[in-house]
Amino acid sequence: DVKVTQSSRYLVKRTGEKVFLECVQDMDHENMFWYRQDPGLGLRLIYFSYDVKMKEKGDIPEGYSVSREKKERFSLILESASTNQTSMYLCASSLYRGIEGELFFGEGSRLTVL
Amino acid sequence: SQQGEEDPQALSIQEGENATMNCSYKTSINNLQWYRQNSGRGLVHLILIRSNEREKHSGRLRVTLDTSKKSSSLLITASRAADTASYFCAIYSNSGYALNFGKGTSLLVTP
Repeated sequence: DVKVTQSSRYLVKRTGEKVFLECVQDMDHENMFWYRQDPGLGLRLIYFSYDVKMKEKGDIPEGYSVSREKKERFSLILESASTNQTSMYLCASSLYRGIEGELFFGEGSRLTVL
Repeated sequence: SQQGEEDPQALSIQEGENATMNCSYKTSINNLQWYRQNSGRGLVHLILIRSNEREKHSGRLRVTLDTSKKSSSLLITASRAADTASYFCAIYSNSGYALNFGKGTSLLVTP
């Protein structure tokens, strides 16, 4: 079965802390994505990657960075967490880009920044 | 961002009834996809319809696409309590680089 694993389901961090959200997929997918989900705003794309060591900004990259050192792993980094980054973070991967680009999602990481 | 927009925001029906959700968008699309999300969980892909297709079926799901009206609908027939979830449409526009999701329709199916 296809699997996207997010390392932490729930995290509580303090303002100013550096936060790492890890995502691993076991499907040999080229493409990986980070979204955040907030009530009333839906899912918004933060960053994505179409290949190892490659990254592209999505719609809301400010305050975030990413790392893709290996094909199966895509990490989201909050350099200095702020309270407005309290959210549900969803990682996804896909085999194809575009016309056949069905996404496979992890279970999500709910981050609270105090 | 070129989001789809779902309607209604919330829908409450009884088991056995049909549930219809709509998605409107503003740009030209490559494909449109529907996803389901159970409370507090990740999203699960339901169905993908390409811009040159008008209708697709998958089990109790029926999706239609009208590119002239820039709209799609998801019909769930003979709903069950287990269908209770949020449903999202997502569009891959011709000028886009990733899927853009709407805000979702929250469906409640009561026994």
